[in-house]
Amino acid sequence: EIVLTQSPGTLSLSPGERATLSCRASQSVSSSYLAWYQQKPGQAPRLLIYGASSRATGIPDRFSGSGSGTDFTLTISRLEPEDFAVYYCQQYGSSLPYTFGQGTKLEIK
Amino acid sequence: EVQLVQSGAEVKKPGESLKISCKGSGYSFTSYWIGWVRQMPGKGLEWMGIIYPGDSDTRYSPSFQGQVTISADKSISTAYLQWSSLKASDTAMYYCARTPTKHSSSWFHYWGQGTLVTVSS
Repeated sequence: EIVLTQSPGTLSLSPGERATLSCRASQSVSSSYLAWYQQKPGQAPRLLIYGASSRATGIPDRFSGSGSGTDFTLTISRLEPEDFAVYYCQQYGSSLPYTFGQGTKLEIK
Repeated sequence: EVQLVQSGAEVKKPGESLKISCKGSGYSFTSYWIGWVRQMPGKGLEWMGIIYPGDSDTRYSPSFQGQVTISADKSISTAYLQWSSLKASDTAMYYCARTPTKHSSSWFHYWGQGTLVTVSS
């Protein structure tokens, strides 16, 4: 089973700042099969990024994903108030299960 | 429009059985995988398993194999997650979600609203 470790656990930033979230895999994620989700309190997760760097439909271009192998990054270029939430990465390219990271909470400073 | 509508919240006692549902609409139900994801109170997301309703091919996380059963009824476009004997530790929000393609190696593109299961004596 691939273990995904997200860092930091909590990130405190102000609107307008740049956010960089990390997701590190315990072994290489094949074909960059990595996704990022955003979850706000009381809501279901929402897909942001798939294939490590492809934005889902309707996702603003301030969200970008990068990385390959074992190291992946989600970057939010200029934080908007609605971006403060919990973010999860997920790998889906290896053997089952298609694990999630433990999450990074992005909070307002 | 693709929609996944889950059944309502449940309150059960330890040892009871339960089956929750996820109804798909707006697409060909038999052509995409549907998965289940657990979120315990205040915790992260856990991948439980997936099913392909077209042929009922089902795959489980080792952590959930034998603990739950995933099934689907394609005649009514509904997937299920069931327990034969609930434990307090099954208390969680459960989400169903659909892949964007016919491949099992895929992310979850569409999500249901979640079903809260509370198990308490």
